[in-house]
Amino acid sequence: ETGVTQTPRHLVMGMTNKKSLKCEQHLGHNAMYWYKQSAKKPLELMFVYNFKEQTENNSVPSRFSPECPNSSHLFLHLHTLQPEDSALYLCASSQEGPGIPFNYGYTFGSGTRLTVV
Amino acid sequence: AQSVTQLDSQVPVFEEAPVELRCNYSSSVSVYLFWYVQYPNQGLQLLLKYLSGSTLVESINGFEAEFNKSQTSFHLRKPSVHISDTAEYFCAVSGNFGNEKLTFGTGTRLTIIP
Repeated sequence: ETGVTQTPRHLVMGMTNKKSLKCEQHLGHNAMYWYKQSAKKPLELMFVYNFKEQTENNSVPSRFSPECPNSSHLFLHLHTLQPEDSALYLCASSQEGPGIPFNYGYTFGSGTRLTVV
Repeated sequence: AQSVTQLDSQVPVFEEAPVELRCNYSSSVSVYLFWYVQYPNQGLQLLLKYLSGSTLVESINGFEAEFNKSQTSFHLRKPSVHISDTAEYFCAVSGNFGNEKLTFGTGTRLTIIP
């Protein structure tokens, strides 16, 4: 257990379904991230939240909708996905802020393996 | 902005043989460098990092990496690999001032042959 928990571990959904991915961190970090990992491609940063506020959205399609109700929880709401959205979705957290050097990297969860059929 | 290149997508190595996984980066500013490892069906785990000081950094399981500023490289090495080292390895870079995000390479899949 890394301190970042993602549920579910596996998800199969149809293109018309609505589902949500959940991420929870118990490390006291103030920043959380969603990454998409597809075969043969670099990890793609999707969203960044600092102190519950979204600070980055890397041109992610609107069928992906993030939610961060507090610094410990992060959701990714999914609707009308496409087969090419099938991937491993990774959540990560870190401690960042003014005067805090970014020198410890990220802590990742184990990911949710999403298959869109 | 930074970028990372991992030229080798797959590296097969016999057990107990040495291995080097290559990582080159580009950046207009000074950097922090990281290696992450991803075991099958798991998320990424931090293996080692270079922040400052000694250019040679080591992990607890025998891996080491050397920061070479002139060659903009941060290659990962292990003198003798084990079956348990089978995993995907990701090199990552960030600028070395606050609130910089990590940029990852495409990963290298290390397969250990018994």
